[in-house]
Parts: sequence; structure tokens; C-alpha cells
Amino acid sequence: DSGVTQTPKHLITATGQRVTLRCSPRSGDLSVYWYQQSLDQGLQFLIQYYNGEERAKGNILERFSAQQFPDLHSELNLSSLELGDSALYFCASSERDTETQYFGPGTRLLVL
Amino acid sequence: EDQVTQSPEALRLQEGESSSLNCSYTVSGLRGLFWYRQDPGKGPEFLFTLYSAGEEKEKERLKATLTKKESFLHITAPKPEDSATYLCAVGGGDDYKLSFGAGTTVTVRA
Repeated sequence: DSGVTQTPKHLITATGQRVTLRCSPRSGDLSVYWYQQSLDQGLQFLIQYYNGEERAKGNILERFSAQQFPDLHSELNLSSLELGDSALYFCASSERDTETQYFGPGTRLLVL
Repeated sequence: EDQVTQSPEALRLQEGESSSLNCSYTVSGLRGLFWYRQDPGKGPEFLFTLYSAGEEKEKERLKATLTKKESFLHITAPKPEDSATYLCAVGGGDDYKLSFGAGTTVTVRA
């Protein structure tokens, strides 16, 4: 158990809908990272927050957004969902930007 | 752009048959090279961080090494419970993302 929690574990929704994925980092970690893992693309970095502020952005679609709250938990919002958005979404956290990232168990999203 | 290439894609081993996984990388200003283990449907589990060429780290039957261009993960006398996908990632430059390779799926038969 890495200490990173993610909810929900599974999510099934329809195209065009909007969903919110939640992540609680390890106690004491200030950085939260979001990654997408699909069969054909592997693990892809989406976005990083550090102590409430956006720090780095990867290949995140404009339909996706995230935020980190004062209690350091983070939410990833996915809107106007498409079939291709079906994937595993992982959250990771680290104590400092350059330290090791610890991953949560993931949320499996299925868009029908 | 950081690039990570892992080989082989898949590795089938007999229990006790030692082998090595390769991770080749290109990165501007290496901050760290990371090895993770991932079981199907689960999140990546941290194994090692290597920071500079020549560094080595060990954990049970696993040993990771680092050169300026590649890293190796050596599996000594593997057991069936070592079956998993092993992911290599690099962090570099001014941002803090990790760039992952596609992974090597290891299957160890009893």
C-alpha cells in the first residue's frame, strides 16, 4: 500500500458525459501528479500540482482539468467524454518535486 | 523530449533462471531514473531510484544499475511471484514529470 488513495475504483459512463476522479496523496506529500495509462500509449503524464498550484503540464486535453485543494487532495475532471478516453487514470504523489513518485491504485474509466 | 525504450517487450523465464532487463534513455539533465513494478490492473509500485552513472541498488532478487545511456534491472534466481511488468521512467530538465517506457512483461514459470 503506497498511501495514495483514489476514488472511485471503477467508473462506467457514456460519451459526452463529465466525471470527476479524486486523489488523496500520502501524508506530508505536497505534489500530486496525474497520469493516463491506455493499452496503446502506456503511461502518459497529464498534469502536476504542487501545494495547490499547477506546476507542470503534459499531454492533457483541453476537455480535462484538475485542481488541488487546500487539504492537498486533488481532483481530475474529464468532460465531453469520448470512447478513446477509456483508460486507467493514476494519481501519484511525492514529498518534493525531485523525489520519488508513489502511485495510487488507479481509477478504471470505461466510456460507452 | 525525453525518450525511454525498454527491451525486451516480454521475457519468459524458468524459476531460478537469472536475466536482465534493459532501459535506454535520452534526457536533458537527468534528475533520476526510476524502476517500478506493475501487476495487472494495479498501480505501479516503486522499486528503485538511481541518480548518477555508476550507481547500483538492490532489493531482494532485484538489482538496478545505471550508466549515462542506459539502466539494467537484473533479476537473480527469479520466483513466480516476480512475474509482473517492470517499468522504467526518467525525470529530467526543468519539469517534474516522469517519462515512462512501455515496460517489460516478465513471466516466471515454476
